Amino acid sequence: DQQVKQNSPSLSVQEGRISILNCDYTNSMFDYFLWYKKYPAEGPTFLISISSIKDKNEDGRFTVFLNKSAKHLSLHIVPSQPGDSAVYFCAASAGAGGTSYGKLTFGQGTILTVHP
Amino acid sequence: NAGVMQNPRHLVRRRGQEARLRCSPMKGHSHVYWYRQLPEEGLKFMVYLQKENIIDESGMPKERFSAEFPKEGPSILRIQQVVRGDSAAYFCASSPGLGSGDTQYFGPGTRLTVL
Repeated sequence: DQQVKQNSPSLSVQEGRISILNCDYTNSMFDYFLWYKKYPAEGPTFLISISSIKDKNEDGRFTVFLNKSAKHLSLHIVPSQPGDSAVYFCAASAGAGGTSYGKLTFGQGTILTVHP
Repeated sequence: NAGVMQNPRHLVRRRGQEARLRCSPMKGHSHVYWYRQLPEEGLKFMVYLQKENIIDESGMPKERFSAEFPKEGPSILRIQQVVRGDSAAYFCASSPGLGSGDTQYFGPGTRLTVL
């Protein structure tokens, strides 16, 4: 039962261009969504989050878009840099009252490679 | 401003031994979560704890695994009688416990290898 899905295992982009990473979810109780970046042999690093009451949140080069009706979110990185090359995970959590309260449900991850 | 600390970073055990993984949350954080990442997979939730309480252990295997977060000291994830299938990266995260919109910050992980 994969409640959070990242259907693209990998993405390759040129330095300076936009990277778009996608994520779909099925649990309508999810109300908070996060993106994490992970390098090999390290823990996930928090990048950006969005509450279900918003449809966009921006932080520097990173923007997250949320489409609740489609149960879809995306992370835009612009401009992409070689140092952005890593595995990106989307994650979701639910507020009190649901079985997903507190815990994060992760997607499988997308490997982003930014070529110089 | 130390982040989430985990130790050891690497742990090697033989089948049948016990593994103890430690996690110290960020300063000011009272909520701790443990996740496991098997090779080629995403992170899977195991257990959610507050000081002296287990809030949700729905992701923990029914046998051999236990977790605690005592009043004093780090959170401990304990695996008894380890088997080869327990080999994985175990990540701890902490949060301030704000309810909805609570961001979890992760430690560097403990990589457990069972020989």
